[in-house]
Amino acid sequence: DAGVIQSPRHEVTEMGQEVTLRCKPISGHNSLFWYRQTMMRGLELLIYFNNNVPIDDSGMPEDRFSAKMPNASFSTLKIQPSEPRDSAVYFCASNLAGELFFGEGSRLTVL
Amino acid sequence: SQQGEEDPQALSIQEGENATMNCSYKTSINNLQWYRQNSGRGLVHLILIRSNEREKHSGRLRVTLDTSKKSSSLLITASRAADTASYFCATDTTGNQFYFGTGTSLTVIP
Repeated sequence: DAGVIQSPRHEVTEMGQEVTLRCKPISGHNSLFWYRQTMMRGLELLIYFNNNVPIDDSGMPEDRFSAKMPNASFSTLKIQPSEPRDSAVYFCASNLAGELFFGEGSRLTVL
Repeated sequence: SQQGEEDPQALSIQEGENATMNCSYKTSINNLQWYRQNSGRGLVHLILIRSNEREKHSGRLRVTLDTSKKSSSLLITASRAADTASYFCATDTTGNQFYFGTGTSLTVIP
């Protein structure tokens, strides 16, 4: 298995633009998590899905953030409009038997 | 919403020495896990200890858990330069929510 696949690996955009981050979890894993990592706040849980259904989005910072999981093999995290304070590394992870498997992350820079 | 906090924030040791990292958390847990993150990479699972366990070993790793003190420690024995990374504890509180600590940055000097 290729592991959790995230794209893009790097994105540089200007304030106000829409950003879409993508994630393909490991096949057979039924939970998917989006985390944000910054130096100031460490790893923050944004939202997680179980069997494609959003279970807890209390970590989503603002209405500018939205996440979807239309099927078991794909999820998106969207920021619209983006702001410089959204600059961070965004990780997707899927879960099997209580163990998280992380993608390599998407490094977002908002100018 | 972070659950855990690691101590120390940074640790520098010589190759061959042991490295000990500590994690404190706030609420009841189902299990606690340790992850490793190399610079610029995603996190990799190292070891899981359940709330009813007190100690667990995996290769050069030894994890302890004290639920009465809400704390855990990770010991890496006979460290190697390749162990240089950040180490995070993660608490599983509800069976499917994982909250990470602030991390310990370990540098092993060859």
